[in-house]
Amino acid sequence: GENVEQHPSTLSVQEGDSAVIKCTYSDSASNYFPWYKQELGKRPQLIIDIRSNVGEKKDQRIAVTLNKTAKHFSLHITETQPEDSAVYFCAASKAGNQFYFGTGTSLTVIP
Amino acid sequence: DAGVIQSPRHEVTEMGQEVTLRCKPISGHNSLFWYRQTMMRGLELLIYFNNNVPIDDSGMPEDRFSAKMPNASFSTLKIQPSEPRDSAVYFCASSPPQSSYNSPLHFGNGTRLTVT
Repeated sequence: GENVEQHPSTLSVQEGDSAVIKCTYSDSASNYFPWYKQELGKRPQLIIDIRSNVGEKKDQRIAVTLNKTAKHFSLHITETQPEDSAVYFCAASKAGNQFYFGTGTSLTVIP
Repeated sequence: DAGVIQSPRHEVTEMGQEVTLRCKPISGHNSLFWYRQTMMRGLELLIYFNNNVPIDDSGMPEDRFSAKMPNASFSTLKIQPSEPRDSAVYFCASSPPQSSYNSPLHFGNGTRLTVT
């Protein structure tokens, strides 16, 4: 089956700086990679996703890049704000199959 | 759209009791997933259904856990008998029909289960 590894497990940045979270996957057939944000005591919520037919996707301050050859994908948050503080999960999946989640990154944005 | 609806939000029970968690997926979604989240083990997939049929239940910890999806708008996860190590947040998630790519998961607000 698929194995998703996520790094780092914790990340602290100064407000206004950028944050980068990286994930690797093992199954070359995986073709859909969502990122979820989970605030304390709340449910995971989708913030951005990418399909294997593109290499990068951007939504305002958030971007995701995908390197299919190396089997890794990354989340980039620019101009971080205190409200970006949360746990972020990456996932990998293929159609009709389950989602395999990384172990999460706890991001703290220091005002 | 009310989103994925789970009940109860909190459940406190004594060891040995039966616990039933409920989930109503988003209308039109044909895949439903049950996850368990703990600090130690993160997000664990317990079971998922496609068109009401269980596809993969390899994540169900043991025979004390069972899940059903009698129709497209309702699913239950039952623990009988419950044990303290079952204490966790249980999330239900649903997703719409996919094409050659999966569709994103939509999570419910979860049920926080405490077994004393």
